[in-house]
Amino acid sequence: DTGVSQNPRHKITKRGQNVTFRCDPISEHNRLYWYRQTLGQGPEFLTYFQNEAQLEKSRLLSDRFSAERPKGSFSTLEIQRTEQGDSAMYLCASSLAGLAAMRGETQYFGPGTRLLVL
Amino acid sequence: GNSVTQMEGPVTLSEEAFLTINCTYTATGYPSLFWYVQYPGEGLQLLLKATKADDKGSNKGFEATYRKETTSFHLEKGSVQVSDSAVYFCALSMDSNYQLIWGAGTKLIIKP
Repeated sequence: DTGVSQNPRHKITKRGQNVTFRCDPISEHNRLYWYRQTLGQGPEFLTYFQNEAQLEKSRLLSDRFSAERPKGSFSTLEIQRTEQGDSAMYLCASSLAGLAAMRGETQYFGPGTRLLVL
Repeated sequence: GNSVTQMEGPVTLSEEAFLTINCTYTATGYPSLFWYVQYPGEGLQLLLKATKADDKGSNKGFEATYRKETTSFHLEKGSVQVSDSAVYFCALSMDSNYQLIWGAGTKLIIKP
């Protein structure tokens, strides 16, 4: 079990540039989540996928943000025309959803990608 | 909307002291409740959870009881160790959409 991995771990970019982050979930997990965490705060939900379908997007996810999970395995999160306010830690999590809904599903988190926009 | 409030940190204790970190929630419905921990330089890890009223989650000597009447899920440990120094997050999820809603986190510092 290799856990959730995220690349890159750190990214420094200039305002206005585009950036893309990758998340590789635990191999058999069918749900994948993206969160954003700023310093001193808890994570905030951005979006989630069940297999390749993007089922929910937060209002935080402006039209500059796009996420994909093309084959239901890894996912990418792209930010276009980055702004200084996008500086944060971007977290990916995955979980295994069964056929029957289960309360208290555990999400497993990756180490995050820290973005700094100059 | 749904929200989680937890006590502000940092909380500084001596080794072997008793720990309580308060967490209360507001939810339209019947949430599941979680405590996650983030050790320095590491990712978030599930510490414990509870999915129904009066359930007690426990792990590594930590416990929390789901109190529906007080909408609380306080984290406790009888005797903390230096290795417990970390940031602790309380969170909830609803059956309808699975996303986790988080408190701001409480930094715990344990001094030898």
